[in-house]
Amino acid sequence: NAGVMQNPRHLVRRRGQEARLRCSPMKGHSHVYWYRQLPEEGLKFMVYLQKENIIDESGMPKERFSAEFPKEGPSILRIQQVVRGDSAAYFCASSLDIRGNTIYFGEGSWLTVV
Amino acid sequence: EDKVVQSPLSLVVHEGDTVTLNCSYEVTNFRSLLWYKQEKKAPTFLFMLTSSGIEKKSGRLSSILDKKELSSILNITATQTGDSAIYLCAVEVQGAQKLVFGQGTRLTINP
Repeated sequence: NAGVMQNPRHLVRRRGQEARLRCSPMKGHSHVYWYRQLPEEGLKFMVYLQKENIIDESGMPKERFSAEFPKEGPSILRIQQVVRGDSAAYFCASSLDIRGNTIYFGEGSWLTVV
Repeated sequence: EDKVVQSPLSLVVHEGDTVTLNCSYEVTNFRSLLWYKQEKKAPTFLFMLTSSGIEKKSGRLSSILDKKELSSILNITATQTGDSAIYLCAVEVQGAQKLVFGQGTRLTINP
């Protein structure tokens, strides 16, 4: 049973380009979360999705960032017109239910904006 | 605003020492407190604490929650170099499916 799979693991983008990060949750999990970790900081909640629905996007920047979790396929975190400050590790997590201890994290996607 | 603060931010000790990591929180609706270990990749779950005063133990690691003081500690005894990692404390907020993380404690164990 594969864990939470994220790709790409490392991504380099020039300022102004778009970044797309993908997350396949653990088998059977329908709850997906995205967290961002800036250098030397803890993880910050961005968005919580269930299949085809955004449940809580209170941590998402208002502009340039969007997330989806379609009926088929992985969850996508999309960052348009990237800036240097977007450089961070983006972690996806999934859960079977909504209890904290059943949240499993992926290995992260490291975005570097040059 | 919900907040979780960890201390110290960084700690360097020798193999065999015992360490205590601290976590304090201010949240509107506390549900549980979780500890994770992060070694340059996915945070891995260590403990979940919901009740005050009950120690959770796993090998050389143990943790306890104090709801009166709004804090938790993570103890590691007889440390080994493999314990070197960032230890993250997070609070699960009641009614919101999200974790509020502290900034982490970077623990380095020297041989």
